Amino acid sequence: AQSVSQHNHHVILSEAASLELGCNYSYGGTVNLFWYVQYPGQHLQLLLKYFSGDPLVKGIKGFEAEFIKSKFSFNLRKPSVQWSDTAEYFCAVNPLSGGYQKVTFGIGTKLQVIP
Amino acid sequence: DTAVSQTPKYLVTQMGNDKSIKCEQNLGHDTMYWYKQDSKKFLKIMFSYNNKELIINETVPNRFSPKSPDKAHLNLHINSLELGDSAVYFCASSPRDRGPEAFFGQGTRLTVV
Repeated sequence: AQSVSQHNHHVILSEAASLELGCNYSYGGTVNLFWYVQYPGQHLQLLLKYFSGDPLVKGIKGFEAEFIKSKFSFNLRKPSVQWSDTAEYFCAVNPLSGGYQKVTFGIGTKLQVIP
Repeated sequence: DTAVSQTPKYLVTQMGNDKSIKCEQNLGHDTMYWYKQDSKKFLKIMFSYNNKELIINETVPNRFSPKSPDKAHLNLHINSLELGDSAVYFCASSPRDRGPEAFFGQGTRLTVV
């Protein structure tokens, strides 16, 4: 079955540490890729997106993600995390063959940043 | 102004009851969605409407019925509530053809007791 995998379910980092959250998908065709963030008690917010072009995309709050087509991956990175980055992070994949409305979310990675 | 608003924010109800959750967006988007987030934070699409027309209807019990009176509103009605329906329900909207680039509402935490 086609799926989106986030391998790290719970990550604990100290402030200023570097972050990389993995996301892999199993769709074979063209995809749009997204990372969403959900702060405690809040709704989901779009962090960054990839549609086409430069595979290294930059989002809000210093986050970036790199699309590696050969690895079916779209990992999220941040050089130096802050306590305010504590949140749940969701990778989402939209396979274009399914139409623009069809999107599958990963199970999420809970990031806890310790001051 | 809130872009995507849902009411109520919290809903506690007994098994067997019928309840509705309302959603409104003031972004002028053509497409609206309902997502269910379970206790493990797994987020799954339930329905998608494009300009009042049902586009996606995932495997959801027919006790769940979306209603879109106009393209700015997508309400979710649930009949005969069950314990397993307890979850956070998110409404979202997006411009036409930008599906996953969605704006989410604050969520409605439904607890069935």
